[in-house]
Amino acid sequence: GQQVMQIPQYQHVQEGEDFTTYCNSSTTLSNIQWYKQRPGGHPVFLIQLVKSGEVKKQKRLTFQFGEAKKNSSLHITATQTTDVGTYFCAGPSGSGNTGKLIFGQGTTLQVKP
Amino acid sequence: DTAVSQTPKYLVTQMGNDKSIKCEQNLGHDTMYWYKQDSKKFLKIMFSYNNKELIINETVPNRFSPKSPDKAHLNLHINSLELGDSAVYFCASSRRRAGGKDTQYFGPGTRLTVL
Repeated sequence: GQQVMQIPQYQHVQEGEDFTTYCNSSTTLSNIQWYKQRPGGHPVFLIQLVKSGEVKKQKRLTFQFGEAKKNSSLHITATQTTDVGTYFCAGPSGSGNTGKLIFGQGTTLQVKP
Repeated sequence: DTAVSQTPKYLVTQMGNDKSIKCEQNLGHDTMYWYKQDSKKFLKIMFSYNNKELIINETVPNRFSPKSPDKAHLNLHINSLELGDSAVYFCASSRRRAGGKDTQYFGPGTRLTVL
């Protein structure tokens, strides 16, 4: 079945270091979404990428969608303690007409002050 | 104003009991979902309703039964609870279901512990 995989599963960084999480889909995606879940919280939508090769920035966060629309990445520059949490990528299942999203396993980021 | 709310936030119960979790959204969305998040944080969809109609029913034991009395509410009833049901259950909603392009808004979650 369709799978969405993320690496790494965990990442510990010193505050100020950069961080990247990678997302790979077994199938071509029409779009990819990224969510952030703070410890003890719920997933919160960050961004959606739709176009092949698309790059979007939100302050220190840079999101990329691969040319083949099968992979994506999230890069955080100069991490801060507020970046702590689990980052999920998610892609629509099949044709997407059910609204079903397949989530990656998530990358949990710890930032040491 | 809470967009997607769930009750209760915590639920501790004994094996074999029956329990319900309630979810309400005030966003005017057509589609609502139930997810299960296990201890490794893996998020798996269980059910989805669009305008009170069941559209996603994943491979979930039939002890789990969703009910949508109207498009703003989606409840989850679980019969004969088992230890493996312990998890965080999230309700979510999206404006529509078409294309899988709509942002999903998650509720705060219900942490279920089965003893």
